[in-house]
Amino acid sequence: DQQVKQNSPSLSVQEGRISILNCDYTNSMFDYFLWYKKYPAEGPTFLISISSIKDKNEDGRFTVFLNKSAKHLSLHIVPSQPGDSAVYFCAASAADRGSTLGRLYFGRGTQLTVWP
Amino acid sequence: ETGVTQSPTHLIKTRGQQVTLRCSSQSGHNTVSWYQQALGQGPQFIFQYYREEKNGRGNFPPRFSGLQFPNYSSELNVNALELDDSALYLCASSLALTPSGANEQFFGPGTRLTVL
Repeated sequence: DQQVKQNSPSLSVQEGRISILNCDYTNSMFDYFLWYKKYPAEGPTFLISISSIKDKNEDGRFTVFLNKSAKHLSLHIVPSQPGDSAVYFCAASAADRGSTLGRLYFGRGTQLTVWP
Repeated sequence: ETGVTQSPTHLIKTRGQQVTLRCSSQSGHNTVSWYQQALGQGPQFIFQYYREEKNGRGNFPPRFSGLQFPNYSSELNVNALELDDSALYLCASSLALTPSGANEQFFGPGTRLTVL
C-alpha cells in the first residue's frame, strides 16, 4: 500500500532551467512533508520540508509547494545545476495525537539528471 | 557536531545467519529510526526508538529486532536471514516531534547487506 507516490522515475533537465519533481499522497492524516536527496553509496540527505499549515516553503534554489486539496506536493529547483543530479525522495509523516514520534513514509524516488 | 554514523558499511551473510547492524545518532538526538531500502524502492520503516523505548513498528516480521542505548546509539538485529533481506539498511536520528509536527530525520550512510 503505497501512501506516497512519485510517478516519474526519472527527469532530465538542462542546466540553468527549472526542475519540477512531483509527489502525490493518499493519507489525509499526513501533516508534514519532506524532500530528501540521495547520491549513490550515501544515505538520504534532508533538503527541505513543509508543514500542512503552509502551502509554500523556500530555501535558496529549492521551493516546495503543497496542495492539500489535491494531496499533491512538488519540489522546484531553480536554476538546476549538474550537482543536483541525484535521486529525490518525497516523504510524509502524521503526528500521532498523544505521541511525539512519527515514522516517515517514502515514495520510490525520482532520478534527476541535470545536463550541461 | 557529528552526524549519523553506521557500521559496518558492507556485509555479506548466508541464508539462516544472524546479523547486527549499528548506528550512532547525531549529537543531541533522542530518537532513532531504522529503514530498509530495497533496490529501486524508497526506504521502508522498520521501527523507531525514543529514549530507549520502542515506539512504532512497520510491517516487518519479529526476526527484525532492535535496541537503543542510554547514549542513544542503536542496534538492528536480524535473525534467520532470508535472501529478500538483501538491502540497504538506513538509520536516522531526530529529536522528538515538536508541537508544530516537524519531523526532520537525519540519515546515516547505510549498511549494504547481501544475503547469499
